[in-house]
Amino acid sequence: RKEVEQDPGPFNVPEGATVAFNCTYSNSASQSFFWYRQDCRKEPKLLMSVYSSGNEDGRFTAQLNRASQYISLLIRDSKLSDSATYLCVVVSGAGKSTFGDGTTLTVKP
Amino acid sequence: GAVVSQHPSWVICKSGTSVKIECRSLDFQATTMFWYRQFPKQSLMLMATSNEGSKATYEQGVEKDKFLINHASLTLSTLTVTSAHPEDSSFYICSARDQSGVYEQYFGPGTRLTVT
Repeated sequence: RKEVEQDPGPFNVPEGATVAFNCTYSNSASQSFFWYRQDCRKEPKLLMSVYSSGNEDGRFTAQLNRASQYISLLIRDSKLSDSATYLCVVVSGAGKSTFGDGTTLTVKP
Repeated sequence: GAVVSQHPSWVICKSGTSVKIECRSLDFQATTMFWYRQFPKQSLMLMATSNEGSKATYEQGVEKDKFLINHASLTLSTLTVTSAHPEDSSFYICSARDQSGVYEQYFGPGTRLTVT
């Protein structure tokens, strides 16, 4: 079993839709969590950190569920520009970052 | 803030030659830098972790004598692909983490290497 697993995707949604991605992790001692976005042939860019209390940034909401060991990313009112691959990152207590394989989102007109 | 640069952004070289890629943190001091490789439509693969002033830690299956990493200062790490072969053609991306204790990584724009 991989340390970090993401919904395989791809997700194809119309503009304006709400879409959610989940990411599960196996190390219960993990301490930090992030969502990154990667566009085709570009480097990953930090989207947001994830906290137990939830974290909202405009149309994006990230949530952490420590009991079930998963993090989620919710995108509301999808835009064409949201099309990308979304990577979850889990950081262990020792500071090692593990990336998920990514979930591809395509928003269509 | 938190800008990481990489140079060159793309390089084409002949089989058997060596290529050096530089990764710089421009506005912060990076105690730890990471080197990744990504093949088309595949996920990021961590190659090695480098800490300033010490030897890099390589992931399993990554040849340390082929991929030489030097992290001589808090703002610069280099990756040298020695005796490159066509199968080394890939997208190489570095990232850096600062000293604050927060674990975000900031990525460079990547280097696209093509070995002919």
